[in-house]
Amino acid sequence: DAGVIQSPRHEVTEMGQEVTLRCKPISGHDYLFWYRQTMMRGLELLIYFNNNVPIDDSGMPEDRFSAKMPNASFSTLKIQPSEPRDSAVYFCASSLSDIKFFGPGTRLTVL
Amino acid sequence: QQPVQSPQAVILREGEDAVINCSSSKALYSVHWYRQKHGEAPVFLMILLKGGEQKGHEKISASFNEKKQQSSLYLTASQLSYSGTYFCGTESSGGYQKVTFGIGTKLQVIP
Repeated sequence: DAGVIQSPRHEVTEMGQEVTLRCKPISGHDYLFWYRQTMMRGLELLIYFNNNVPIDDSGMPEDRFSAKMPNASFSTLKIQPSEPRDSAVYFCASSLSDIKFFGPGTRLTVL
Repeated sequence: QQPVQSPQAVILREGEDAVINCSSSKALYSVHWYRQKHGEAPVFLMILLKGGEQKGHEKISASFNEKKQQSSLYLTASQLSYSGTYFCGTESSGGYQKVTFGIGTKLQVIP
């Protein structure tokens, strides 16, 4: 069974550009999470969904960040406009109970 | 608020033991431990629940002191495969989902 799938794996963009990160959770999982990882702050929870509905977005840093989950098998995290301080590894994770399964991450570099 | 982990980094020789501590300023319902190998996604190790139940790894143990809002992860007879960054995650509402992770403890096991 495939794990959590994220795309792209690497993204390099210029400041001001729109960036869209994509995630396919494990089939049957009803929770989906977006985390951001940096050296200084570790793993930060940005937002999470339950049954496609956003439950808590208090970790989204600014209005430049938005996330959607149009169906049970797909979610996006969008940054518009991007800034150099958004450079990080973005992880998507899904769960059915109390164990989270993380995807491989998207390494974002904003120049 | 993020839990605080200590130490931030540790180097062990194979066969040695290590303890990683995690403390929170908030009352805790559960503590979650994950390990991340370099360049990979975090992987679930263990969850400790209020009341004493724990689920997880065969060779790694942990404790959870609810009154002190602290948890410790015990790595005994360390192996090279134990190298990685260990994240403590805390959750305060009882739903297991909104887990806030610390910055992590980088552990390196050398021959």
